[in-house]
Amino acid sequence: DAGVIQSPRHEVTEMGQEVTLRCKPISGHDYLFWYRQTMMRGLELLIYFNNNVPIDDSGMPEDRFSAKMPNASFSTLKIQPSEPRDSAVYFCASSLKSGGIQYFGAGTRLSVL
Amino acid sequence: GQQLNQSPQSMFIQEGEDVSMNCTSSSIFNTWLWYKQDPGEGPVLLIALYKAGELTSNGRLTAQFGITRKDSFLNISASIPSDVGIYFCAGSSNDYKLSFGAGTTVTVRA
Repeated sequence: DAGVIQSPRHEVTEMGQEVTLRCKPISGHDYLFWYRQTMMRGLELLIYFNNNVPIDDSGMPEDRFSAKMPNASFSTLKIQPSEPRDSAVYFCASSLKSGGIQYFGAGTRLSVL
Repeated sequence: GQQLNQSPQSMFIQEGEDVSMNCTSSSIFNTWLWYKQDPGEGPVLLIALYKAGELTSNGRLTAQFGITRKDSFLNISASIPSDVGIYFCAGSSNDYKLSFGAGTTVTVRA
């Protein structure tokens, strides 16, 4: 398996622009997670899905952030409008129904100027 | 937010040294995981622990699930240069949501 695939790997945008991050989970995994990593706050869970349904979005910082999972093999995290404080590395992870082990993608490094 | 206290925050190692780091939690966990993150990459799983008292090895790595279910440690024996990176502990009280420690940054001492 190719693992969790994220795109793009790097994104540089200007404040106010819409940003869309993409994720393809490992085939057969029922859970998908979006994380944000910063030096100050470490790894923060933003939202997770089970069988394509959002279960807990309490970590989403504000309404500018939204996430969708239209099918079992694809998810997006969208920021609109983006702000400089959104600059971070965003990770997607997926896991099987049980076991707790999450497998991470390589991340998207977002810079909002 | 993070519920885990991971220490030390950083450490310098000399090749050949043994390295130890640990995590404590205010909550009981059913699963403890240890990940390593290299620069520009995502965290990669090193060891998974599922039972209190469990001691598991993966090559030069050894990790234990504390008896109280509120702590875990990771040991690296005979460290090598490629051991540098950030090590994260993670705990779960159910099967799918993880809480992460702040990480231990391991650097090679010149």
